[in-house]
Amino acid sequence: DGGITQSPKYLFRKEGQNVTLSCEQNLNHDAMYWYRQDPGQGLRLIYYSQIVNDFQKGDIAEGYSVSREKKESFPLTVTSAQKNPTAFYLCASSQDSYKNIQYFGAGTRLSVL
Amino acid sequence: GNSVTQMEGPVTLSEEAFLTINCTYTATGYPSLFWYVQYPGEGLQLLLKATKADDKGSNKGFEATYRKETTSFHLEKGSVQVSDSAVYFCALSYGNEKLTFGTGTRLTIIP
Repeated sequence: DGGITQSPKYLFRKEGQNVTLSCEQNLNHDAMYWYRQDPGQGLRLIYYSQIVNDFQKGDIAEGYSVSREKKESFPLTVTSAQKNPTAFYLCASSQDSYKNIQYFGAGTRLSVL
Repeated sequence: GNSVTQMEGPVTLSEEAFLTINCTYTATGYPSLFWYVQYPGEGLQLLLKATKADDKGSNKGFEATYRKETTSFHLEKGSVQVSDSAVYFCALSYGNEKLTFGTGTRLTIIP
């Protein structure tokens, strides 16, 4: 089945630690996105990538980093500079940035120990 | 800039009740409009969409009509079921700009 796989489902971060969230898609989509979901705030865009080896900051990029070395993969690193990382993180992909139907993974819930 | 304003929740209804979740938008030009649904513990799924004025999107008994004159895209369903309990997000996009989401409306259906 084609789709988007996020792992792990739950992740815990210690103070001062960097953690990486995985996102893999086998839909052959060019564009990929990372969102953060907090209660009552909807989805906020962290980073997006329209093509391999290229990515742009979204609305709340501070404290996060990404890479896009392969079309299928778009990992998100939550760095120690992100002081409030506890949230639900969602990865999405779309055929390209003009085809605005986005397909979402099941999400990773990150908590701070 | 573009923005979406959604009816605040939570919304609780009895099974077989009529559902309306309001959504209005602010955008330059004529954006595409979407409703996404998020079931507990899952990511978002596209429920329906409309790409131009007066278009009606429909899926799984849900409908929404793109109203240019009122800049609205209200979600409706004639008879809700317990399985419709979820969080519903209204969203818009314009050209190749990214999706802009509303804050979501949590819907709970009681038997």
